[in-house]
Amino acid sequence: ETGVTQTPRHLVMGMTNKKSLKCEQHLGHNAMYWYKQSAKKPLELMFVYSLEERVENNSVPSRFSPECPNSSHLFLHLHTLQPEDSALYLCASSQKTGILAYGYTFGSGTRLTVV
Amino acid sequence: AQSVTQLDSQVPVFEEAPVELRCNYSSSVSVYLFWYVQYPNQGLQLLLKYLSGSTLVKGINGFEAEFNKSQTSFHLRKPSVHISDTAEYFCATMDSSYKLIFGSGTRLLVRP
Repeated sequence: ETGVTQTPRHLVMGMTNKKSLKCEQHLGHNAMYWYKQSAKKPLELMFVYSLEERVENNSVPSRFSPECPNSSHLFLHLHTLQPEDSALYLCASSQKTGILAYGYTFGSGTRLTVV
Repeated sequence: AQSVTQLDSQVPVFEEAPVELRCNYSSSVSVYLFWYVQYPNQGLQLLLKYLSGSTLVKGINGFEAEFNKSQTSFHLRKPSVHISDTAEYFCATMDSSYKLIFGSGTRLLVRP
């Protein structure tokens, strides 16, 4: 257990479904991130939240909608996804003021399959 | 923009042999470098990091890396690998807004 928990671990959804990925950290970190990891591609940073405000959105399609209700929780709401969205979605957290000391802590990821 | 390049997509090696995984970074005033490991069906785990100071950095599981400014490299090494070291290894750097930028990864395949 790394301190960052992602649920569910696996998710299969149809293209018309709506689902949500959840990430939770109790490390006292104040920044949280969503990454997408597709086969044979580098890790792609999707969203960055700092102090519960979205500070970055790397041209992610609107069918992905993040939500950060508090500093410990991060969600990724999914709707009308495409098969190419199938990937491992990784959540991470960091302490921005102490970033140089601590780096990022990653969760184990959610393996998403869109059918 | 800062970046890292991992030239080898896969490195096969026999058990108990030494291994080096290569990483080159784009030059910048301040350089922060990291190596992460990802075991199958897992997230990323920090192996080691270079922030400043000694150029030889020791990490977990017997890994070490050397920061070489003249060659803009941060290669990861282990003198004797085990089957359990089979995993994907990612080199990363940090940009000025503290975002991690990853390389494309190197798959280490340890054979008996």
